[in-house]
Parts: sequence; C-alpha cells; structure tokens
Amino acid sequence: EVQLVESGGGLVQPGGSLRLSCEAAGFTFRSYWMSWVRQAPGKGLEWVANIKEDGSEKYYVDSVKGRFTISRDNAKNSLYLQMSSLRAEDTAVYYCAKDLLGGPSKAGMFQDWGQGTLVTVSS
Amino acid sequence: QSVLTQPPSASGTPGQRVTISCSGSSSNIGSNYVYWYQQFPGAAPKLLIYKNNQRPSGVPDRFSGSKSGTSASLAISRLRSEDEADYYCAAWDDSLSGPGVVFGGGTKLTVL
Repeated sequence: EVQLVESGGGLVQPGGSLRLSCEAAGFTFRSYWMSWVRQAPGKGLEWVANIKEDGSEKYYVDSVKGRFTISRDNAKNSLYLQMSSLRAEDTAVYYCAKDLLGGPSKAGMFQDWGQGTLVTVSS
Repeated sequence: QSVLTQPPSASGTPGQRVTISCSGSSSNIGSNYVYWYQQFPGAAPKLLIYKNNQRPSGVPDRFSGSKSGTSASLAISRLRSEDEADYYCAAWDDSLSGPGVVFGGGTKLTVL
C-alpha cells in the first residue's frame, strides 16, 4: 500500500522559512516524479513544483520561483520543500503527490496523495 | 484566476447525467493529457480520469472523460448522492514562461 506522510507544517511569520517533508513507503520512490500541490483554505488546487526521479529536473509555479526549492533523498524515500520569504498567500494545505507518468507533457497524473500538512503564514 | 476554466458549480438530480467542462489552450489541453480529480471536504483529491478518458481501477464506469481541441469534459451518468463533491481538471502546460501542471478552478457538484 502506498503511503505518503507529510510533516513540517505550522505557523510562521511573513518573511520566514519552513521545510516540509514527505516520507514515502509502499512503492519504489526513486522511480517516480514527485510533486507538491497546495490548497488555500476554501480555494482550489494549485500545483507548486515537481522533481524528476533522480532530482535532475525541477519545475515550479511562477509564484514560488526563487523562494521555494523542491528536493528529494532517494536513499531516505523522502521529498522536501524548502520554503523561504513566505507570504500570507502561501497559507495552504500542502500535499505531496506521486506522479504516475511524470515529466514534461505528461505530468499531472497524481495517483497517490498524502494527507497534507497545513502551513499558516501570519503575524 | 486559473489557467484552465471550469464552471464554479453544477447540479443534477439522482439518476441524471451531468457534464463539467474544462477549457484551456493549445499549450495545455490542446497538446497534453487531461486529468480529472474528485475531492470531498477535508480529504485529499482522488484521481478520477487520466490520459483524457481512462479510468483508474476502482472508478465506476459512470464517470467518463473526453477531450476535443483545447477543451475537455467530465461526464457523470446515473448521478448518485455520493457524487456530491468538488471536481478539478488538470494538464501539463508547455508555456515558455513557466511550464508546469495547471489546474482548473474546480466545480462544486450538488446533487439535488
């Protein structure tokens, strides 16, 4: 059974930093593209970033470029999202998701999702 | 404002067929796969349709997807009360300014 467990969310002040983690189990983590998708309270889904199986390719939504960094450690079956210069509009539940197809032109087939971790940016 | 455009709401009565549209452009729906997700309040999204019209194992055949040009649709036939949820379309966008996955704004389906 695939398991994705996010952690690291919490309350942070504007301008602050936070690192999210996603621990994967039940599948060969190093064989899949992985993504972070977020959902602001009462709003729709927004893809944040994804990373290739070996970490050599990364893509970001424009609103987080230069502030967020996605990374992975295949030896630890873990995905990360380092967030800095946080803004109020970054407040959301952050999900990690396994992309069954992955890669440019095919990405978006999120077969498995974590339960999400809430990030609140407020003073 | 989302890159993919969905109606904010849709409704139907049990047994009816409803469709939810998703409009995009040549850089996303027009050239890449479309995916559909179902989300209940407080829960993570669930993949409903992949590669435009394919159903993952376990998804009832009441759900079907289609794509034509730069638009896609999700159809739900024989509507049931438990179908009341939010539905999102998604696709890869080849935009030169920033390729990535784009979602529709979501459609809240109400079963009357």
